[in-house]
Amino acid sequence: QVQLVESGGGVVQPGRSLRLACEASGFTFSSYGMHWVRQAPGKGLEWVAVIWDDGTNKYFVDSVKGRFTISRDNSKNTLYLQMNSLRVEDSAVYFCARDRSKGAAGYYFEYWGQGTLVTVSS
Amino acid sequence: ELVLTQSPATLSLSPGERATLSCRASQSVSTSLAWYQQKPGQAPRLLIYDASARATGIPPNFSGSGSGTDFTLTISSLGPEDFAVYYCQQRGNWPFTFGPGTKVDIK
Repeated sequence: QVQLVESGGGVVQPGRSLRLACEASGFTFSSYGMHWVRQAPGKGLEWVAVIWDDGTNKYFVDSVKGRFTISRDNSKNTLYLQMNSLRVEDSAVYFCARDRSKGAAGYYFEYWGQGTLVTVSS
Repeated sequence: ELVLTQSPATLSLSPGERATLSCRASQSVSTSLAWYQQKPGQAPRLLIYDASARATGIPPNFSGSGSGTDFTLTISSLGPEDFAVYYCQQRGNWPFTFGPGTKVDIK
């Protein structure tokens, strides 16, 4: 069955960096777009970033553009989110999610990991 | 930016009752709308996509309808496992956004 396991969260000071990883199994990773979606404590969901199946296209929500990068290693079935210049408002549980569509991202999130908590605090 | 509004914020119902949740978009998204269920401490689960198509493994007591700016998620008979928060999400207009959620709790 499809499994997505995030790692890399933790407590970090404002302005510092953190790299999240999401290891995928149970499906052909290289065939699907992958997303990061975050949820601040007690709040709603916010889509953060997407990378298409072959890594050629990447898009971000405006609030993280220029600070976050998304990448993938299809040989390792792993998705990454490099977060630089972190702000207090980036504190959230970060979920990786598999797109429902093969190939180009369809922006429906069919499978989700359990999430990893990022806390940005001095 | 397109805004999704969900109502009511909280819906208090008894098991076996019918739940009707609303999602309204500030501009048309055609049928590019999904619904997710989230229980405390868990990841969201995709229920409905393209406004009315059930996702894999979702039972038929969940149904979605609507187009343009007004959408509805209906749970025909609430089971104990259905008490949760429900979010709508649109992919009709960039950036793709979620609604604030409707909490369905036990009356």
